[in-house]
Amino acid sequence: IAGITQAPTSQILAAGRRMTLRCTQDMRHNAMYWYRQDLGLGLRLIHYSNTAGTTGKGEVPDGYSVSRANTDDFPLTLASAVPSQTSVYFCASSDRGDNEQFFGPGTRLTVL
Amino acid sequence: GQQLNQSPQSMFIQEGEDVSMNCTSSSIFNTWLWYKQDPGEGPVLLIALYKAGELTSNGRLTAQFGITRKDSFLNISASIPSDVGIYFCAGHLTDSWGKLQFGAGTQVVVTP
Repeated sequence: IAGITQAPTSQILAAGRRMTLRCTQDMRHNAMYWYRQDLGLGLRLIHYSNTAGTTGKGEVPDGYSVSRANTDDFPLTLASAVPSQTSVYFCASSDRGDNEQFFGPGTRLTVL
Repeated sequence: GQQLNQSPQSMFIQEGEDVSMNCTSSSIFNTWLWYKQDPGEGPVLLIALYKAGELTSNGRLTAQFGITRKDSFLNISASIPSDVGIYFCAGHLTDSWGKLQFGAGTQVVVTP
């Protein structure tokens, strides 16, 4: 089934640990995105990639890094997790940067 | 931060009633998207709008791209229990290729 997969589904992490959230899409979309969703704050863009080999900063990039080595994968890394990074993380993709985005099922991350 | 004002914040309606929600902004948008999110899942695209004045339907859902390009509304006719969820508007600003702005969401509760 075409779409976006994210892993893990959920994770509890000790503060200070490194964590990589995985995202893979099989729609051959050029653009990919990472959002975090927090109660009362809605969806906020962390990082994005318009095409393989390029990345850009979104609204809340601090503490996160991304890479886009190929079209299908867009991992998000927390180098040293802090409790404020407790959130639900969604990966999304779109064919172009100006059209509809399709979302993955999310990763629920808790940093203690 | 969020540049979209979405209202109402929540709605409690009886099965069979129609639902209406809207998003407004002081900025001009190139696209308007409407998503639905069920608990524990990612947002699912309902309707995409690309032209000012455009009126698009998807089953019992109807959405319109405001003529001023600063607003959009979503109507749900004859609501059913599975319409329960959070509905988000989103849009691309004219100078923000790839960066969607999201509304805070409208929580819809349908009672039998």
